[in-house]
Amino acid sequence: DSGVTQTPKHLITATGQRVTLRCSPRSGDLSVYWYQQSLDQGLQFLIQYYNGEERAKGNILERFSAQQFPDLHSELNLSSLELGDSALYFCASSTGTGRFTDTQYFGPGTRLTVL
Amino acid sequence: SQQGEEDPQALSIQEGENATMNCSYKTSINNLQWYRQNSGRGLVHLILIRSNEREKHSGRLRVTLDTSKKSSSLLITASRAADTASYFCATVYSSGAGSYQLTFGKGTKLSVIP
Repeated sequence: DSGVTQTPKHLITATGQRVTLRCSPRSGDLSVYWYQQSLDQGLQFLIQYYNGEERAKGNILERFSAQQFPDLHSELNLSSLELGDSALYFCASSTGTGRFTDTQYFGPGTRLTVL
Repeated sequence: SQQGEEDPQALSIQEGENATMNCSYKTSINNLQWYRQNSGRGLVHLILIRSNEREKHSGRLRVTLDTSKKSSSLLITASRAADTASYFCATVYSSGAGSYQLTFGKGTKLSVIP
């Protein structure tokens, strides 16, 4: 158990809908990262927040957005969902400022299925 | 693209044998990391090697980095059935203005047969 929690575990929804994925980092970790893993795209870094502020941006679509709240939990919002958004979404956390030089601890993931 | 490429895509060995996985990348990096993923589960960070390091050990793991060849290898010695998993390399590089990016390769699927 990494100490990172993600909810929900599974999510099934229809195209065009909007969903919110939630992540609680390990106690004391200030950085939160979001990743998408799909069969065709592999693992992709989406976005990182450090202490409430966006720190780094990867291959995140404009239909997707994220935020980190004062209690450090983070939410990833996916809107206008398409079939291709079906994937495993992982959240990770780390203690440092997030220059990807410290160990990231991954949550168990949320499996999103878009029908 | 910065994406690392692992080789081989799949590897099957007997328990007790050593497993070697390779990763190649395209441009200068800040550091390179190896992760393990058991089927459908979250990733587990194994080891990080900085661009100025050539070799690093952690238990049964040995990682090498050759920045001149833009490649890294992960060696797992005396493999166990529990090592069965997918292994990913991830490269970290500066994307300018103090920002960094991390990109993953497609992974090597390792099967260790008891």
